[in-house]
Amino acid sequence: IAGITQAPTSQILAAGRRMTLRCTQDMRHNAMYWYRQDLGLGLRLIHYSNTAGTTGKGEVPDGYSVSRANTDDFPLTLASAVPSQTSVYFCASSDSGIGYTFGSGTRLTVV
Amino acid sequence: QQQVKQSPQSLIVQKGGISIINCAYENTAFDYFPWYQQFPGKGPALLIAIRPDVSEKKEGRFTISFNKSAKQFSLHIMDSQPGDSATYFCAARDSNSGYALNFGKGTSLLVTP
Repeated sequence: IAGITQAPTSQILAAGRRMTLRCTQDMRHNAMYWYRQDLGLGLRLIHYSNTAGTTGKGEVPDGYSVSRANTDDFPLTLASAVPSQTSVYFCASSDSGIGYTFGSGTRLTVV
Repeated sequence: QQQVKQSPQSLIVQKGGISIINCAYENTAFDYFPWYQQFPGKGPALLIAIRPDVSEKKEGRFTISFNKSAKQFSLHIMDSQPGDSATYFCAARDSNSGYALNFGKGTSLLVTP
C-alpha cells in the first residue's frame, strides 16, 4: 500500500451500535486527522493527533473518540451511532503540517 | 464556527473561461493556505498552496492570489476545461491545532463545453 488506507469503504449501521473506522498510513507521517464531509458544509475536523500517544479535539468531536497507539494507525470510534453521524469520513496525515494526504473515505449511513 | 469562508457555492464557466473562487479568514494563527480539488467518490487532492509571505503563486493554469492584510485569498483557473469540473475547497492550516487544516464549505465548478 502507498498512502492512506481506510476501511470499510462504506457501511450501513443501526442506530445505537458501536463502530470503528480504521485508518492506516505507510508514510511515517507524525500527524493524523479525521474529518467528516457533509453536503454544503465542507470538511470539518473531528479529532487530530500530532504524534503517537497524543490526541486533540477538533471542531465536531462529540460522539467520537480516537486513539493513537502507534505512528501508522488512527482509528475513529463511534460509541453509540446516531443518524446525524451519517456522513463521509476522511482520514488524513501530514508530516508536521507538510504534505497532507487524504484517504478515499468511508461512507457511513446510520439508520 | 466555520473559520474559512468560501464563495461562491457553485460556479458555471464556459470552456476557455476563467474560474475564480474566493476565500476569507480571520484567525492570524493560520500560516499555510492550500486548495484542494475533489471529484465525486474520491478524497480531496492537493491542487496548489501558498504561504502568507507570498502574494501570488502560479502552477500551470492555476494561480493563487493572497492578500495578507485583507485576510483573503483566491484561486484562478485560467482556460477552464470540462475536466476541471469538480468541487474545490480552500483551506488554512492552524499552527495552534496540530497543523490541522480548516476547510471552506466548497465550490462546485461546472465547466461547460
